[in-house]
Amino acid sequence: EADIYQTPRYLVIGTGKKITLECSQTMGHDKMYWYQQDPGMELHLIHYSYGVNSTEKGDLSSESTVSRIRTEHFPLTLESARPSHTSQYLCATKDRANEQYFGPGTRLTVT
Amino acid sequence: GQQVMQIPQYQHVQEGEDFTTYCNSSTTLSNIQWYKQRPGGHPVFLIQLVKSGEVKKQKRLTFQFGEAKKNSSLHITATQTTDVGTYFCAYNTNAGKSTFGDGTTLTVKP
Repeated sequence: EADIYQTPRYLVIGTGKKITLECSQTMGHDKMYWYQQDPGMELHLIHYSYGVNSTEKGDLSSESTVSRIRTEHFPLTLESARPSHTSQYLCATKDRANEQYFGPGTRLTVT
Repeated sequence: GQQVMQIPQYQHVQEGEDFTTYCNSSTTLSNIQWYKQRPGGHPVFLIQLVKSGEVKKQKRLTFQFGEAKKNSSLHITATQTTDVGTYFCAYNTNAGKSTFGDGTTLTVKP
């Protein structure tokens, strides 16, 4: 089983609040990703990183930011949460064979 | 950008029936991956195919990569209730990103 962790697992928060979703991994993988997924729907890439100090925006426009100061840590921050941000956020890493390992996800509800 | 289309979007089968999902691209893919996501869970890697015409098997699951490397299929023989979930195909770009298909959601009636 992959060692990738996400916290919190569930979060209900009011509009306008600033939140940070945590993602950490113990596998030493350089590549990390954040996806947004509505239940049963496709995955949308919102941010990715090739390693420390590397961050790129994904295919889905998002009002979020990420940082990669350490290999094992890739937090996602929403400066001002909106109801449209209600979704599941999945963090993933990729090994040298391009196999992706997903964390359990954070289910975010913005009221 | 390059996309992969999956069909069908939903499939309902009786336990014991076979199931197939297809992944199609308008352009040649360097690789194709398959993932399974159980209801309420996260995607789990199943397999990667890279060679033209490649066929791989995992117990009751058979994966194929087309000769032209533009399509792929996942076939499950004699479905079981444990097979329920959404199956996604995905490919890796040269830039290191992964693009996922829309997924096929399988439900199995016991």
